[in-house]
Amino acid sequence: KAGVTQTPRYLIKTRGQQVTLSCSPISGHRSVSWYQQTPGQGLQFLFEYFSETQRNKGNFPGRFSGRQFSNSRSEMNVSTLELGDSALYLCASSAGQGLNIQYFGAGTRLSVL
Amino acid sequence: GIQVEQSPPDLILQEGANSTLRCNFSDSVNNLQWFHQNPWGQLINLFYIPSGTKQNGRLSATTVATERYSLLYISSSQTTDSGVYFCAANAGGTSYGKLTFGQGTILTVHP
Repeated sequence: KAGVTQTPRYLIKTRGQQVTLSCSPISGHRSVSWYQQTPGQGLQFLFEYFSETQRNKGNFPGRFSGRQFSNSRSEMNVSTLELGDSALYLCASSAGQGLNIQYFGAGTRLSVL
Repeated sequence: GIQVEQSPPDLILQEGANSTLRCNFSDSVNNLQWFHQNPWGQLINLFYIPSGTKQNGRLSATTVATERYSLLYISSSQTTDSGVYFCAANAGGTSYGKLTFGQGTILTVHP
């Protein structure tokens, strides 16, 4: 069974641009969660989608948004990039119900110049 | 929300030594996971252990839910065990899909 796939692996953007990251969950998983990892703040929860609906959201500004498609693939978008958005973005998939073990992808490393 | 604290923040060992990493959490949990973050950033699942004890090779973990802590044991450490170890918990209820992470323990194993 294939694991969680995140694309792209690396991104370089400039301030003010927007970016879209993609996450394909493990086959059969219906929940996708997104996290941001920075040296200063550690790993922080962004949001979670289940069956195309956002069920939970962390404390991030509205510039951070996401969506989930009918095949459970998810995208997150960051608009009007700031230097502080430079981070490793990780997504995790889980069944979404019952035993909710989260499995993580390799991440997308975003650098904002 | 739930708070997760890990200790120690840093741990330096010689190859072959044993170690214990601790994770304290502030509320009852329905999910507790231990991860090892590899040098490329990926979080590798070690254990799903909201309660009880599990073992996998040289690694084992114990969670005492009533006392709100979990321990990760690494025996006969190897240089490949180096990296950052995270504990993460979910309190259930409406915290769908949200794992709260500790700050991690940076483990360095010298040959």
